[in-house]
Amino acid sequence: AQRVTQPEKLLSVFKGAPVELKCNYSYSGSPELFWYVQYSRQRLQLLLRHISRESIKGFTADLNKGETSFHLKKPFAQEEDSAMYYCALRATGGFKTIFGAGTRLFVKA
Amino acid sequence: NAGVTQTPKFQVLKTGQSMTLQCAQDMNHEYMSWYRQDPGMGLRLIHYSVGAGITDQGEVPNGYNVSRSTTEDFPLRLLSAAPSQTSVYFCASSPGHSGNEQFFGPGTRLTVL
Repeated sequence: AQRVTQPEKLLSVFKGAPVELKCNYSYSGSPELFWYVQYSRQRLQLLLRHISRESIKGFTADLNKGETSFHLKKPFAQEEDSAMYYCALRATGGFKTIFGAGTRLFVKA
Repeated sequence: NAGVTQTPKFQVLKTGQSMTLQCAQDMNHEYMSWYRQDPGMGLRLIHYSVGAGITDQGEVPNGYNVSRSTTEDFPLRLLSAAPSQTSVYFCASSPGHSGNEQFFGPGTRLTVL
């Protein structure tokens, strides 16, 4: 069965501090992993996906198949990063996407 | 393109009432899905569709029905509303290719009294 675990419901950091949002997954096949973000009063939107190996708004995430993790990292948090972050998993070539419970990031001035 | 649209934005129902949440997309996406968002539980998949005429259950399908008669529309029906269905409902669509993101609607906030 597919499962996505985000152990932290709330993460609070100071502006300029590094931030890491944890995501662990359970899936027996080959997964596609995504991070979605929901800013206040905005729609849920894609932040990044593992197959692109990209950096978006300073965020990066590396798929670690050995540890079944896809943690989201940013070296210097900004106040505008405050939002709800969701990790999501989909089977490669599949359609059904499962989300984690989400982590609310609060960046303090 | 309007993207993914949902109506209504807000709805209050009494226990036992039925209603349909509307979802439409104009991007010709094959894949559409419905999620509910609850505090501490994230987004949970209710039903999804991989194309017109094809639907399947997600994680929490009980109490909900869907149909997909056209590529554009994917309505979600609550047959007999219960307070446990109080939630924010999101519709999403995606092209049918690996690695493609889902595009989300603005959500419908439903309260069942």
